[in-house]
Amino acid sequence: DTGVSQDPRHKITKRGQNVTFRCDPISEHNRLYWYRQTLGQGPEFLTYFQNEAQLEKSRLLSDRFSAERPKGSFSTLEIQRTEQGDSAMYLCASSFQPGRASTDTQYFGPGTRLTVL
Amino acid sequence: GQNIDQPTEMTATEGAIVQINCTYQTSGFNGLFWYQQHAGEAPTFLSYNVLDGLEEKGRFSSFLSRSKGYSYLLLKELQMKDSASYLCAVTGGYQKVTFGTGTKLQVIP
Repeated sequence: DTGVSQDPRHKITKRGQNVTFRCDPISEHNRLYWYRQTLGQGPEFLTYFQNEAQLEKSRLLSDRFSAERPKGSFSTLEIQRTEQGDSAMYLCASSFQPGRASTDTQYFGPGTRLTVL
Repeated sequence: GQNIDQPTEMTATEGAIVQINCTYQTSGFNGLFWYQQHAGEAPTFLSYNVLDGLEEKGRFSSFLSRSKGYSYLLLKELQMKDSASYLCAVTGGYQKVTFGTGTKLQVIP
């Protein structure tokens, strides 16, 4: 399977714990996006990378959230000191776009569903 | 900023045609996407419109009017498996893609 993969698919944690999610994009895709989606809402942008550079980060993203893409391939999203409001589906998407324009088609992974107790 | 508006829910009959509308107000516009999302699954790409007009792809067509800030997704010969949420998303300038809240379509026999 050459699609976007995410790990784990489900994560249950207690409030205050740290969690880390991994995303493996489609190979040769240089862009990687992280979104958060809650029930009945569309995906909400969190951050994106072009290769290893993090080009944009949502103003809604607190400093408890951090993302990395050290070698321009897979990415990790870490949430520190989780809160119940962090419970959501975390989606990763990848695309290929040689420039800086935002006209790329994004292919989504299956998501990681986080439940904070 | 970006503001995207689409109906929350729609119901249509198997075999019929349904039109899902999307209106947007954006600071800068490059194009508009439609994605399909089944419950509990990730969104999958349906269409991307950059220029005004209708683009047809099998049973699905997407229309864009940039001057009116308006798009619609047309689904023909509805099938039960078309029951899903349909997300309208807009890109502008160098910014991220902004998604609407989605329209939940229920297809009934």
